[in-house]
Amino acid sequence: AQKVTQAQTEISVVEKEDVTLDCVYETRDTTYYLFWYKQPPSGELVFLIRRNSFDEQNEISGRYSWNFQKSTSSFNFTITASQVVDSAVYFCALSEEANNNDMRFGAGTRLTVKP
Amino acid sequence: ETGVTQSPTHLIKTRGQQVTLRCSSQSGHNTVSWYQQALGQGPQFIFQYYREEENGRGNFPPRFSGLQFPNYSSELNVNALELDDSALYLCASSVLAGSHEQYFGPGTRLTVT
Repeated sequence: AQKVTQAQTEISVVEKEDVTLDCVYETRDTTYYLFWYKQPPSGELVFLIRRNSFDEQNEISGRYSWNFQKSTSSFNFTITASQVVDSAVYFCALSEEANNNDMRFGAGTRLTVKP
Repeated sequence: ETGVTQSPTHLIKTRGQQVTLRCSSQSGHNTVSWYQQALGQGPQFIFQYYREEENGRGNFPPRFSGLQFPNYSSELNVNALELDDSALYLCASSVLAGSHEQYFGPGTRLTVT
């Protein structure tokens, strides 16, 4: 069965530092989808990115970048020049093509960016 | 474009009671998924509705049930509430069923005493 591990429970950085959030996944399916969501204190999950298993190109969106490595089953998320507004809980999630309505989330990483 | 909305925001119920939570999907979305998020944990998939039919279910007992209406809004019903049902219940909508970008509502915080 699919599984997502976010080993970092909490991370604290000072504004303008770069920070990487780790995500390791397990799946037996060859076709799957990986996601990152942000959950600010308001509680609403905000979609950040979706990546399918056949697309290993890294992606950059402003200060955000994602590193997908199938060889290590990892899909890490880096925030460059962090800002206080980046403070939130970040979730990595996985869904398999064979059961693609069931999105499995990791336990989340709480990021605190201090001014 | 109207986002996903949920009601109520907060709810307090007693063990054994029944509760109904509501979700209005984002405009143009025909798929709604429900998740339970216990404190300090990631969301867990309850079930998904696509065009008024259940389209997959997670590891939740039958006392968790749902409906989707012709306008694609949805309800989550929980019978015989237990203390462990206390959680944030999140609704998400998407354009298509399956592994597509899901847009989440703000959630309903349910407390069972």
